[in-house]
Amino acid sequence: GAVVSQHPSRVICKSGTSVKIECRSLDFQATTMFWYRQFPKQSLMLMATSNEGSKATYEQGVEKDKFLINHASLTLSTLTVTSAHPEDSSFYICSARGTGAEDNSPLHFGNGTRLTVT
Amino acid sequence: GEDVEQSLFLSVREGDSSVINCTYTDSSSTYLYWYKQEPGAGLQLLTYIFSNMDMKQDQRLTVLLNKKDKHLSLRIADTQTGDSAIYFCALWDTGRRALTFGSGTRLQVQP
Repeated sequence: GAVVSQHPSRVICKSGTSVKIECRSLDFQATTMFWYRQFPKQSLMLMATSNEGSKATYEQGVEKDKFLINHASLTLSTLTVTSAHPEDSSFYICSARGTGAEDNSPLHFGNGTRLTVT
Repeated sequence: GEDVEQSLFLSVREGDSSVINCTYTDSSSTYLYWYKQEPGAGLQLLTYIFSNMDMKQDQRLTVLLNKKDKHLSLRIADTQTGDSAIYFCALWDTGRRALTFGSGTRLQVQP
């Protein structure tokens, strides 16, 4: 149980274009999803927390107009990197918490999306 | 916010035990976690320990928690080459209501 699916696993795009990354909870409903970013050989940095049906909460320093998050259903959250630039190249990972789960209960993660902007 | 520290690298021989250490600053997290990341992959939840426990064993994995010293460790018995990966400890940051990760420890298992 508790499978989180993330697509695509890898994407290469040209500078200035937008890229959408999907995060789905396959066998459970997720009220809350988290988006993390990981630079090479570094840890995971929280970008934003998305709650179904409401606006995402962004971490300090994360541009909300650049990293658009939509959590329109209990099984799907999307992260759109708008007007991507080479410095946006990174590994993006989502995680999800089941509806009704305790606030700090274990989180399960997707397999990540490696974005390369040329 | 939470500050979580790990050593960056550990090398062991196949069959030996590996011990990966983690220290943290905020002790309000109810659960403390260990995640494994293989190259190019996402994070796999390995195990976790409830904050009122001192030790938890799950097959080859043993988690020790010293709340007084704010120290968490993961012991892998009979380490195999397939255990080579990056291991992250993570705690729940009650302020941000999200997981905060350590820097990750790269475990290299030599045959």
